[in-house]
Amino acid sequence: QKEVEQNSGPLSVPEGAIASLNCTYSDRGSQSFFWYRQYSGKSPELIMFIYSNGDKEDGRFTAQLNKASQYVSLLIRDSQPSDSATYLCAVRGGSNYKLTFGKGTLLTVNP
Amino acid sequence: DAGVIQSPRHEVTEMGQEVTLRCKPISGHDYLFWYRQTMMRGLELLIYFNNNVPIDDSGMPEDRFSAKMPNASFSTLKIQPSEPRDSAVYFCASSATRDSIYEQYFGPGTRLTVT
Repeated sequence: QKEVEQNSGPLSVPEGAIASLNCTYSDRGSQSFFWYRQYSGKSPELIMFIYSNGDKEDGRFTAQLNKASQYVSLLIRDSQPSDSATYLCAVRGGSNYKLTFGKGTLLTVNP
Repeated sequence: DAGVIQSPRHEVTEMGQEVTLRCKPISGHDYLFWYRQTMMRGLELLIYFNNNVPIDDSGMPEDRFSAKMPNASFSTLKIQPSEPRDSAVYFCASSATRDSIYEQYFGPGTRLTVT
């Protein structure tokens, strides 16, 4: 059974701080890693993806991947109240198009 | 360009009734996914199609659930008979092979309540 684990939170940070969200996965054959953001009552939307070990930056967001440790993280710099949402980590294996999602981490950014 | 369209947005039904959820994927997308989201279990993949053909239905919980995709622009998820434990938000998502990252675009979801 392929598993993706996330701390459910809630993670609470003050406005302007760095929010760090973490995810571990069980399938060593996993190839692609995604972070989706889901506002309350809305559908998930993709904000970051990463394939290779190391860091990938996009604006205030940085995704980090360590395949040896089976660990992927998302850093949000200069957190804003509008970043308050549930962040879902998703993993895809190399041979199919299925995504396995973690249960998500609820992030609250306090003004 | 319109996104993924789902109907109905909300459905309330009594236990034992048949429920049909509908989805129209983004035009040109060749993959379609059905998910179920609950607080307890998170977002679970139920089934996915490629070019209208079911590829993996291992997530379908039991025989009460069935899904069809008669053409590239329409899919249904049917629950018969429905039970209270089926209450959840059901999402449809689509993606395109031509998209190098196979990003999945989610519809707004159908909130199903079975009483």
